[in-house]
Amino acid sequence: GIQVEQSPPDLILQEGANSTLRCNFSDSVNNLQWFHQNPWGQLINLFYIPSGTKQNGRLSATTVATERYSLLYISSSQTTDSGVYFCAVVSGGATNKLIFGTGTLLAVQP
Amino acid sequence: DAGVTQSPTHLIKTRGQQVTLRCSPISGHKSVSWYQQVLGQGPQFIFQYYEKEERGRGNFPDRFSARQFPNYSSELNVNALLLGDSALYLCASSFTRDPKPPLHFGNGTRLTVT
Repeated sequence: GIQVEQSPPDLILQEGANSTLRCNFSDSVNNLQWFHQNPWGQLINLFYIPSGTKQNGRLSATTVATERYSLLYISSSQTTDSGVYFCAVVSGGATNKLIFGTGTLLAVQP
Repeated sequence: DAGVTQSPTHLIKTRGQQVTLRCSPISGHKSVSWYQQVLGQGPQFIFQYYEKEERGRGNFPDRFSARQFPNYSSELNVNALLLGDSALYLCASSFTRDPKPPLHFGNGTRLTVT
């Protein structure tokens, strides 16, 4: 099956810093999403981005489907950005299940 | 509008017991999917139900079963609990069978098996 790997696994930032999170996938995908899981466990969808670039406030994401990777940019980080960031993909015939990556644990310090 | 609601929020069970977890989707959403998230890992797909029929099953043993009711709420049952079943169980709902936005997750049920 498809492999989804994220880097870095852990990241510590000072408030106000910028960061780039990466998601690599081993096969073509027809659905790619970024999620933020807060310390209480809730998963919040950030972007649906199977290709191209999108921006939402301080966050933006880019997916280069032909090269099998996606990037999530966080600018001017805030302590509320802390948590785990997952990318998740849908691949092949199993169009109804998301395959989650390994996650990046982000800690933003004041 | 209420989001996806899951109950109970926390649960402690003993090995060998059975457990039932519940999920109410967002009003109008016909698809409910269940995911298991073991500590330190990403969620793993267990089941999807759409229009009250099973539409997908992940790589989980037959001890795991689920169903969807006419009001689109869903239950996940796990029999003969093992220590390794300890995890956060997440429910997600969406309009369509494909997991595209708007896709909403509940806050999960944290199951501890002792």
